[in-house]
Amino acid sequence: TQLLEQSPQFLSIQEGENLTVYCNSSSVFSSLQWYRQEPGEGPVLLVTVVTGGEVKKLKRLTFQFGDARKDSSLHITAAQTGDTGLYLCAGAWNFGNEKLTFGTGTRLTIIP
Amino acid sequence: DAGVTQSPTHLIKTRGQQVTLRCSPKSGHDTVSWYQQALGQGPQFIFQYYEEEERQRGNFPDRFSGHQFPNYSSELNVNALLLGDSALYLCASSLDSNYGYTFGSGTRLTVV
Repeated sequence: TQLLEQSPQFLSIQEGENLTVYCNSSSVFSSLQWYRQEPGEGPVLLVTVVTGGEVKKLKRLTFQFGDARKDSSLHITAAQTGDTGLYLCAGAWNFGNEKLTFGTGTRLTIIP
Repeated sequence: DAGVTQSPTHLIKTRGQQVTLRCSPKSGHDTVSWYQQALGQGPQFIFQYYEEEERQRGNFPDRFSGHQFPNYSSELNVNALLLGDSALYLCASSLDSNYGYTFGSGTRLTVV
């Protein structure tokens, strides 16, 4: 069974602080996606990474794909209350419209 | 441009009944995937439809079946409902030969 483990499971920090969320697997991904999900809504795609060692920045969010394509991290700088939500990583093991295997998620709460 | 539309948004069914959930993909997308998200967990892949055929399937029993229509919309059917089928059911659409999924807001199914 191909599993994705996310850590931490829960994270609560003050507004303005920095944080990092991790996504790890024992298997090699062809691509990995990060999503954010708000209560009562479906996940919204933040980024897709496909190359080992790749780093992508989206404003205050920095996504990194491990060199071996088995792990990824999401770093948020100067967190804002609007960053609150469930962050999900999802891996695909083949290119194209391959099914996604999701991690269990990191529930992030930013305290004003 | 409308995104992915799912109906109904909420549904309550009795154990043993059957249910049909509906999904209209984002304009221009031809592939539809269905996911089940239990409370506090990441989404789990049920199956994917492309060109009106089931292309991939996750570890779900045959009680879960689906269909894709010529206009790319899709239905998810669940027979003989169990209490454990209570979950948020998500539809995601994509364009074949590309990855990156657009999710709907989901149908919240409660089985009593």
